[in-house]
Amino acid sequence: DTAVSQTPKYLVTQMGNDKSIKCEQNLGHDTMYWYKQDSKKFLKIMFSYNNKELIINETVPNRFSPKSPDKAHLNLHINSLELGDSAVYFCASSPGPLYTEAFFGQGTRLTVV
Amino acid sequence: AQSVTQLDSQVPVFEEAPVELRCNYSSSVSVYLFWYVQYPNQGLQLLLKYLSGSTLVKGINGFEAEFNKSQTSFHLRKPSVHISDTAEYFCAVTKEGLTGGGNKLTFGTGTQLKVEL
Repeated sequence: DTAVSQTPKYLVTQMGNDKSIKCEQNLGHDTMYWYKQDSKKFLKIMFSYNNKELIINETVPNRFSPKSPDKAHLNLHINSLELGDSAVYFCASSPGPLYTEAFFGQGTRLTVV
Repeated sequence: AQSVTQLDSQVPVFEEAPVELRCNYSSSVSVYLFWYVQYPNQGLQLLLKYLSGSTLVKGINGFEAEFNKSQTSFHLRKPSVHISDTAEYFCAVTKEGLTGGGNKLTFGTGTQLKVEL
């Protein structure tokens, strides 16, 4: 029973394409996040949703659009993919916006060619 | 804003030797502190966390960390490492308590622990 699951695990696509990454958590958490890990393994938050409401929106190109259809799901859609978007994207969840612990998914390795 | 510094990008150590991975943080407010481990091609797993109370925190897999407020440090230690501990270790910080703009983890740049025979 995977707590936070992301699909796909690997994604290879051409520049200019539009792609989505899906995330689901079965922990009953209210808050979900997207983090980006670059080639040097540096992790940075992109977005956070609490009960389907956007509460954190870091400086991210507007080609990235998160969508939360319900509090168990947080998807990431990326338009007009660029080479620099290549990274590992992690979804995470926590019981609430008071951040005492986060559970991470396995990551989606996005390669833009 | 908070920041985290992990001074050592790589730490090689022999199996069964002790290890310390250093983490220093900067914040103008009280914080919660975390250590996460990332095994190759895996997601992040929580090793341990400091929220309040005893400054010595014990985590999974025999790891422990000590919160030192005066030195703004949260170093991770293990008395005897195993080959299976080879992984990337991330220190992270977040503001204590609920903030109106939402809380987030700020990560250090990671320390690659390589355990050798």
